[in-house]
Amino acid sequence: EAGVAQSPRYKIIEKRQSVAFWCNPISGHATLYWYQQILGQGPKLLIQFQNNGVVDDSQLPKDRFSAERLKGVDSTLKIQPAKLEDSAVYLCASSFPLAGVPYEQYFGPGTRLTVT
Amino acid sequence: SQQGEEDPQALSIQEGENATMNCSYKTSINNLQWYRQNSGRGLVHLILIRSNEREKHSGRLRVTLDTSKKSSSLLITASRAADTASYFCATVTRGAQKLVFGQGTRLTINP
Repeated sequence: EAGVAQSPRYKIIEKRQSVAFWCNPISGHATLYWYQQILGQGPKLLIQFQNNGVVDDSQLPKDRFSAERLKGVDSTLKIQPAKLEDSAVYLCASSFPLAGVPYEQYFGPGTRLTVT
Repeated sequence: SQQGEEDPQALSIQEGENATMNCSYKTSINNLQWYRQNSGRGLVHLILIRSNEREKHSGRLRVTLDTSKKSSSLLITASRAADTASYFCATVTRGAQKLVFGQGTRLTINP
């Protein structure tokens, strides 16, 4: 089966510019996650969708980050305006949850963002 | 917020030796998962252990869970160069619906 697709793979922008990332989850996976992974750290959950709805966005910096999941399939994550500290790898993952409890998550290759 | 903490932060061993990584966490969990991340294949799920389980095996991997000590260990037997990667434990806290990752252990297998 096809895995989680993400684009672009790499992006370099200047601070205060905007950027958008796209994710296509595995077909049939109702839950989609966006993570931020700073170099040398573990992934940190930014937002979790169950179909179209947001389950958790408690760690999403809402003054500059936004995310949407149209029709419960593809998702985009946007940063506007970007700051230097946003330099990280942005990972998208999907899963087929059982009773709402996260089990195995499938990750995409990530987008490496560099803010200069 | 960080739930799991891996120990050691870095580990270097010879090919063929066994590698053990530990994970400690703070609050009661529903399940604990181990993931591997390398540049070639990205972040990949290895194994999941539920709170009512004590040990699970998958190929050369053995995971143990001690809920009284709030800790887990991942053992990789007969290590290979391809096992070189960062290994993360991730926990699902009871009553929560999200996975929280630790900082990871960087494992290097020397030929």
